[in-house]
Order: sequence, then structure tokens, then C-alpha cells
Amino acid sequence: DTEVTQTPKHLVMGMTNKKSLKCEQHMGHRAMYWYKQKAKKPPELMFVYSYEKLSINESVPSRFSPECPNSSLLNLHLHALQPEDSALYLCASSPLTSGLYIQYFGAGTRLSVL
Amino acid sequence: QKEVEQNSGPLSVPEGAIASLNCTYSDRGSQSFFWYRQYSGKSPELIMSIYSNGDKEDGRFTAQLNKASQYVSLLIRDSQPSDSATYLCAVNKENAGNMLTFGGGTRLMVKP
Repeated sequence: DTEVTQTPKHLVMGMTNKKSLKCEQHMGHRAMYWYKQKAKKPPELMFVYSYEKLSINESVPSRFSPECPNSSLLNLHLHALQPEDSALYLCASSPLTSGLYIQYFGAGTRLSVL
Repeated sequence: QKEVEQNSGPLSVPEGAIASLNCTYSDRGSQSFFWYRQYSGKSPELIMSIYSNGDKEDGRFTAQLNKASQYVSLLIRDSQPSDSATYLCAVNKENAGNMLTFGGGTRLMVKP
């Protein structure tokens, strides 16, 4: 089982709204990631959590706030987003097994900012 | 030079043919290599991983790795219209920990 579950599948929000994206995995993976993907582009890394600690923040604007409450759950809190933030947001997880570094992606959340 | 390069395509092949997708990378110390398939509007799906030189086969898919020449390729035999998608090459660079560097993807079109 390599399932990473993301909710919601679709989200429409105004620029003044606050919303959250959720990601869950029960594979015992100890690394979780948030990516942003625009049309016809590869995924762009936003944040990495390793052993529930934020290890990578790729200079993401503060209107995106990640949270890792436990080893199975990852949230992305959104506030005061801009229309250019509209994209597919992907969560991934990895077992952190040395030398393998496989990442499994969830189905994504399609975000539209109006 | 991009860290991971792929021809953006589209690569068009007839149904039943072999599709050959190529990827080159710049970091000679890279150790782990992955191919993901992404249908339009969907998320990337892992289809192959390869870690050592040579070929690795899984069903209709064969991944080939040549570290000396710094390229990795994906062959799809007996291509089907359902294989039409964008194929992303991803590389774990030396000292990058658990991060992957993605190529821009190659769009494959299999025509009936």
C-alpha cells in the first residue's frame, strides 16, 4: 500500500480567506513534502518535513504555513493568497530508507484563488 | 545547463511501437533515479526506480541507467494510447538528502 491521501480534491478561495490542505499517510514514512505544480511544469518543492521537523523551506511566502502534527499527518495552512497561487498542490511521502529516496505522491488539491 | 534535462516533446509514436524517453543529469554523484508518469490534471505516479548501471525491466517498461554518460532512459514496449502522458525524470543528487530534482518532463502521444 503506497497511498497518500489529500483533502480536499478541489478548493476555491478568495484572497481574504483562510483555508487548510490536509495530507495523510499510514505507511510509516518519516519524510513528507509539499509541492506546487503549475500547468506544463514539473513539481516545485515548497517544504520538507523529516521526522516531524521542518527541514527544508524553499523560500516560500509566509502566506503558506506548513504544519506536521504527527508522523502521519501534514497540513498546509493558506491565508491571503494571490491569484498566481492557483495551482495543483501535491503532497508526497518517503520512507527515508538510506539510498532509496522514493517519493509517493497523493492525488493533489486543485486550488483556485479568486 | 539544467540539472536534469528532458526533451519536452511531444514525442509521437504509433500504437504498438517502442517509445524511448531520455533524461540527462549534471550531478555525477547522483545515486537514485526515478520515472514518474503524469496524466493531464493528475498527480505523478511512480513507474520505475533504478539505482545501478544497466537495465531494469518491469512489464512493458525498461529503465536504463548509464552513470558514466550521465543519462537514464525509459523504454515503453508495445505502446498503448493509455500510455499518452507526461513522463517526469527525477534524480536524487549526491548530498541532497531525501530531495529529488525533477526534469521538465516529456509529453508522449501514442496514436491509434
